[in-house]
Amino acid sequence: GGIITQTPKFLIGQEGQKLTLKCQQNFNHDTMYWYRQDSGKGLRLIYYSITENDLQKGDLSEGYDASREKKSSFSLTVTSAQKNEMAVFLCASSGTANSDYTFGSGTRLLVI
Amino acid sequence: QEKVQQSPESLIVPEGAMSSLNCTFSNSASQSIWWYQQHPGKGPEALISIFSNGNKKEGRLTVYLNRASLHVSLHIRDSQPSDSAVYLCAVGGGSALGRLHFGAGTQLIVIP
Repeated sequence: GGIITQTPKFLIGQEGQKLTLKCQQNFNHDTMYWYRQDSGKGLRLIYYSITENDLQKGDLSEGYDASREKKSSFSLTVTSAQKNEMAVFLCASSGTANSDYTFGSGTRLLVI
Repeated sequence: QEKVQQSPESLIVPEGAMSSLNCTFSNSASQSIWWYQQHPGKGPEALISIFSNGNKKEGRLTVYLNRASLHVSLHIRDSQPSDSAVYLCAVGGGSALGRLHFGAGTQLIVIP
């Protein structure tokens, strides 16, 4: 079986700081996603990528950048951390359209 | 954009009872409905999916889909304390390739 790994598990940053979250998968999945999870608001899509070097904006892309330099990895950058961005960031991958997503365990971001 | 609403926000049931969770969606062309389970500190895990109108049973889980009323429900028979988790409804296939739209979740608590 495969695994999807997010690093770091916890990230503490200062307001205004640029912060990068990383995600690696060994399923050989084509599509990867970054979601933000806030309490009571469900998962909101930030960016997704359907193949290496592809990037598609989601519903919440403002304030974020993403990079898919290899098929197995997808990184997310918070360009200027804000205190109201304390949330869990979830990475996922999927093999084909309408197949289930496999999620990582998340990165918990705290901005002080 | 697909809108996914879940109810109730939280549900408390005694061990052995039936747990019933509801989800409505906005796009009748959506091709797939997924239910995910999320334990604290973990990423969501896919539980069961349904693509056609009607019902689908897997073990203690039963899903009912009614496309005409844009409604899907998940029923957990003989609920166990280990079923305590957040349950997320996800709808996909109606628009962008493979993209799933998630509801805010139902917190299920099963009391021993």
